[in-house]
Amino acid sequence: DVKVTQSSRYLVKRTGEKVFLECVQDMDHENMFWYRQDPGLGLRLIYFSYDVKMKEKGDIPEGYSVSREKKERFSLILESASTNQTSMYLCASSNFYRGYYGYTFGSGTRLTVV
Amino acid sequence: GESVGLHLPTLSVQEGDNSIINCAYSNSASDYFIWYKQESGKGPQFIIDIRSNMDKRQGQRVTVLLNKTVKHLSLQIAATQPGDSAVYFCARGAAGNKLTFGGGTRVLVKP
Repeated sequence: DVKVTQSSRYLVKRTGEKVFLECVQDMDHENMFWYRQDPGLGLRLIYFSYDVKMKEKGDIPEGYSVSREKKERFSLILESASTNQTSMYLCASSNFYRGYYGYTFGSGTRLTVV
Repeated sequence: GESVGLHLPTLSVQEGDNSIINCAYSNSASDYFIWYKQESGKGPQFIIDIRSNMDKRQGQRVTVLLNKTVKHLSLQIAATQPGDSAVYFCARGAAGNKLTFGGGTRVLVKP
């Protein structure tokens, strides 16, 4: 069974801390994504990557950065955590299959910044 | 701009009844649409997809209808079961690799 694994289910961090959220996929997918999920706002794209060492900004990249040194791993970095970054973070990966790009999601990391 | 929206944030349905979840979109340049189901504490999971050149697609207990004239998409769940309680998202895909997601509808199944 294909998997996207997020290293932490729950995290509590202090304002100003540097936070790393890790995501690993075992499907040899080219594309990886980071979303945040907030009630009533749906899934909003933070950053995505089409290949190793490649990254592109999504809709809400401010306050975040990413790293993709290996194909299977895509890290989201909060340079200086703030309370408005309290959210559920979802990682996804995709490949072209049957004519479109379907996503496989991880289980999410619920981050609380205090 | 692009948007994918849902008509109702919460849908309460009696067990055994059919559920209909609606989604509207604003951009006509869509190649395909996907419905995802997200159960509590889990990431979204693929349910069914439909290409923009289709009007209807059926899966196991689910049917997706696409009305391109009014830019409307719906997911019908037959004989809703307690395990169907979840948040359902529609997503729109176009050229490229990014999906645009709607805000989600929570389905509550009453026993």
